[in-house]
Amino acid sequence: GENVEQHPSTLSVQEGDSAVIKCTYSDSASNYFPWYKQELGKRPQLIIDIRSNVGEKKDQRIAVTLNKTAKHFSLHITETQPEDSAVYFCAASKNPGTYKYIFGTGTRLKVLA
Amino acid sequence: SAVISQKPSRDICQRGTSLTIQCQVDSQVTMMFWYRQQPGQSLTLIATANQGSEATYESGFVIDKFPISRPNLTFSTLTVSNMSPEDSSIYLCSVELGLKNIQYFGAGTRLSVL
Repeated sequence: GENVEQHPSTLSVQEGDSAVIKCTYSDSASNYFPWYKQELGKRPQLIIDIRSNVGEKKDQRIAVTLNKTAKHFSLHITETQPEDSAVYFCAASKNPGTYKYIFGTGTRLKVLA
Repeated sequence: SAVISQKPSRDICQRGTSLTIQCQVDSQVTMMFWYRQQPGQSLTLIATANQGSEATYESGFVIDKFPISRPNLTFSTLTVSNMSPEDSSIYLCSVELGLKNIQYFGAGTRLSVL
């Protein structure tokens, strides 16, 4: 069935360093890839997304890259800050299609001050 | 985005009872989704709820255990029936806005079953 693998499960970086989280999807028909940030006890919040017609998207310190051939996409956070500490989830979806998201297993990011 | 209100925010229930969770949106949406998030885990889709049709359940989830209502374009309920401690989890609703396949989440319901 459809599957999204996410690595690493935990990631610790020093404040100011970069963090990279990688996801691989199985369904080649997937064409929409959102990233969510979930702080402890809070709801998942969309932070960035990318569609299959582009290879990279950037929003200030956050960027996402997509390699359709290899079926993987990555989240890049530069100049990390303590408030970036959270759990990050990637997801894959097909639109038009089922619209449902298949989520990765999550990455717990700790930014050390 | 939209304002998504989910209630209750948390509850402690006895084994064998049922709990109904409500999700209210401040705008009309076609697609609503219900997820389960077990402690420290990812989000697992329970079902998709479209107004005017029966909910579509994912593998491992059945209507008798998780009945869903979707009476209009701004509201849905999820019932967790005949609860056991294994049902202790966070339940989240989400809505798809703007026909762009972007989902926004409610704050979740933290359920503990004793």
